[in-house]
Amino acid sequence: ETGVTQTPRHLVMGMTNKKSLKCEQHLGHNAMYWYKQSAKKPLELMFVYNFKEQTENNSVPSRFSPECPNSSHLFLHLHTLQPEDSALYLCASSQDRAPSGGETQYFGPGTRLLVL
Amino acid sequence: DAKTTQPPSMDCAEGRAANLPCNHSTISGNEYVYWYRQIHSQGPQYIIHGLKNNETNEMASLIITEDRKSSTLILPHATLRDTAVYYCIVRVADGSQGNLIFGKGTKLSVKP
Repeated sequence: ETGVTQTPRHLVMGMTNKKSLKCEQHLGHNAMYWYKQSAKKPLELMFVYNFKEQTENNSVPSRFSPECPNSSHLFLHLHTLQPEDSALYLCASSQDRAPSGGETQYFGPGTRLLVL
Repeated sequence: DAKTTQPPSMDCAEGRAANLPCNHSTISGNEYVYWYRQIHSQGPQYIIHGLKNNETNEMASLIITEDRKSSTLILPHATLRDTAVYYCIVRVADGSQGNLIFGKGTKLSVKP
């Protein structure tokens, strides 16, 4: 257990559906992240939130919409996805984004998404 | 692109030390070396990180060469549960640019 939980663990959705992924961290961290891991590809950073403010969006299509209502919760809203969006979506958190170099990210177990 | 080079796979006998190498010849003075691992179908797990001194924790030891162009992660007594993909990452110590960029890692197989 890393202190980062994600729900659901598995999700199957059609291309016209709207669904949301949820991430919650119990570590008192201030920064949260969404990553995508497609089959046989490295992890790709999608979004970064620091103190509830989005600080990075790595050219992610608008069909992925993040939401961070507070420092403990992070959502990823999904709509009109494509089959190529099928992947493992991972949430992570860290204490902050301070330039200390000692930031460590703790990952959740991920949501395995299949888009039909 | 990842700034590190790792062998794609390695085998290790159970109970023996696993030594995982990583080359980061273009590392800058303000970049840390991080190691994470990912067991199949789980999220990555932090192992250890360092700047220039060798580091040790309850999971592993990190040996960084004096010129900082390479490092070795050591699992002193590998178990079957250590079978995973191990990622070596260099990260700028800058709050705005300190992203973890994962490469393909080394798939470590611990065998009985």
